[in-house]
Amino acid sequence: AQSVTQLDSHVSVSEGTPVLLRCNYSSSYSPSLFWYVQHPNKGLQLLLKYTSAATLVKGINGFEAEFKKSETSFHLTKPSAHMSDAAEYFCVVSVGGFKTIFGAGTRLFVKA
Amino acid sequence: ETGVTQSPTHLIKTRGQQVTLRCSSQSGHNTVSWYQQALGQGPQFIFQYYREEENGRGNFPPRFSGLQFPNYSSELNVNALELDDSALYLCASSLGGQGNSDTQYFGPGTRLTVL
Repeated sequence: AQSVTQLDSHVSVSEGTPVLLRCNYSSSYSPSLFWYVQHPNKGLQLLLKYTSAATLVKGINGFEAEFKKSETSFHLTKPSAHMSDAAEYFCVVSVGGFKTIFGAGTRLFVKA
Repeated sequence: ETGVTQSPTHLIKTRGQQVTLRCSSQSGHNTVSWYQQALGQGPQFIFQYYREEENGRGNFPPRFSGLQFPNYSSELNVNALELDDSALYLCASSLGGQGNSDTQYFGPGTRLTVL
């Protein structure tokens, strides 16, 4: 069975400081892993995806994530937060295309 | 912008009624998936269509049904609406045929309220 756990429901950082959003997954097969961002009243936007190539994946807007099979983790990071990063972030595991499972989400707050 | 559009933006229905939500996928995308996102939760997979056939379904009852058309449009139909059906409904289109690495492009969603 597949599952995904986002370890923090809320994360608060100051502008200019690093961001870490944590995600653990469980999968019986080799999954693809994604991070999506959802701004208020806007659709989900793909930040990055892992598909069994390089374990360090670079995405848009300075975000990156590292796939660690031994830890079954896919944490999202950014060196320096910007006010515009405030949003809801979802970690997603996909096996076989239609078995797509979203985490519960992490709300990122960025303080000035 | 992803090129995926949904209509209507908002909808209010009463319990027991039926509703049809519409989605227009990106041109060339053979796969469309529908999700239900309740307030404060992550999207839940409802079902997926590939070239007009359902090829995967989540834990949703049969009163949730869908159609996909050759012109890259699709529908989600919900019969006998219940209060718990109130949610944001998202459609996502993808090329299809790429297995689990297929990237999905999401529409802005339809907010359904059931009274």
